[in-house]
Amino acid sequence: EVQLVESGGGLVQPGGSLRLSCAASGFTVSSKYMSWVRQAPGKGLEWVSLIYTGGTTYYADSVKGRFTISRDNSKNTLYLQMNSLRAEDTAVYYCATSLDWGQGTLVTVSS
Amino acid sequence: DIQMTQSPSSLSASVGDRVTITCRASQGISNYLAWYQQTPGKVPKLLISAASTLQSGVPSRFSGSGSGTDFTLTISSLQPEDVATYYCQKYNSAPFTFGPGTKVDIK
Repeated sequence: EVQLVESGGGLVQPGGSLRLSCAASGFTVSSKYMSWVRQAPGKGLEWVSLIYTGGTTYYADSVKGRFTISRDNSKNTLYLQMNSLRAEDTAVYYCATSLDWGQGTLVTVSS
Repeated sequence: DIQMTQSPSSLSASVGDRVTITCRASQGISNYLAWYQQTPGKVPKLLISAASTLQSGVPSRFSGSGSGTDFTLTISSLQPEDVATYYCQKYNSAPFTFGPGTKVDIK
């Protein structure tokens, strides 16, 4: 059974950094393309970033240059390093494959 | 980048009604289109992939169609448990943009 468990969210001040983790089970993270998707309070879904099986990465314009997606095959975990955080980055962050989503982790950017 | 639009933004229908939601891509995306259902406070659930492939366990009253730029999600007989926001998403190439969503409730 596929499981995705996000962690690492929390309260951070504007300009700060956080690293989100997504621990996968039931498959290997290198075998599927994986994404981060976020949802600001009361808003719709926003695609954030993608890593293909070959390692190529893509980012939404809103986070390009500030966020970095990566994976650790030995830990079977996906990451999202978020730097220079802004209030508008406040959202629930989900990791997802083409079929499955985690439960999400809340990131709040506020002073 | 390809933009995704949905219409209507919200709708209210009676139990048993046929409901149709439209998703449009600003450029052709072949059939690389997914539909998600999100009920309040819950994680989005994949309903349909490849524009028309119903996921396992999804009721057969849901169906998807379309290719290229125009896609539809149809609920053949609306049920109370279908109250949710529905999103389309392109995945032919990055960015994997979502549509803005269509909120469905019961009249």
